Amino acid sequence: GQSLEQPSEVTAVEGAIVQINCTYQTSGFYGLSWYQQHDGGAPTFLSYNALDGLEETGRFSSFLSRSDSYGYLLLQELQMKDSASYFCAVVGNYGQNFVFGPGTRLSVLP
Amino acid sequence: NAGVTQTPKFQVLKTGQSMTLQCAQDMNHEYMSWYRQDPGMGLRLIHYSVGAGITDQGEVPNGYNVSRSTTEDFPLRLLSAAPSQTSVYFCASRARDVAGPYNEQFFGPGTRLTVL
Repeated sequence: GQSLEQPSEVTAVEGAIVQINCTYQTSGFYGLSWYQQHDGGAPTFLSYNALDGLEETGRFSSFLSRSDSYGYLLLQELQMKDSASYFCAVVGNYGQNFVFGPGTRLSVLP
Repeated sequence: NAGVTQTPKFQVLKTGQSMTLQCAQDMNHEYMSWYRQDPGMGLRLIHYSVGAGITDQGEVPNGYNVSRSTTEDFPLRLLSAAPSQTSVYFCASRARDVAGPYNEQFFGPGTRLTVL
């Protein structure tokens, strides 16, 4: 089976940096994805890591360590609009299916 | 491009009723999936398809059927609705990822289903 763990809530102030961790246990691993979801909205893709290391996309970066079964999403220069839920997802079964984590609710305060 | 579309946006059913949630995509994506999301929780995979005529079960398939007769459409059928199926249902699609690392799923706006 597969299971993922994330912190349930994180709070930070505008302009700060926040890191959201994700640990996983899986029987098959192809990569780790991150998605953002605003209240009432659909998830939207942020990043994907297939190899160890850091991937940077603007203010967002994502890191993966396959040996530690661990990844994180780093959000820099936080803005109010970053208040949302963030989900990590293990891509398994040769890229055919996804298992999502329970999500981390990020609140950005002024 | 409309992307991924879902109908209806909202639906109320009585226990035992059946219905079909529609999902369509115009991006020529081979992979399509159905998820359910319960309040305060992550998404759980119901069924997925890797191409027309090919479907497989996800994490929570009981009580749901799917078929994939065309690349564009991937309907989800609730056979006999139960209150435990009250949830938000998301359809998603993505291109087949053969050699590259890119693995973005595009989600529809969701269907909010209540079963009384």
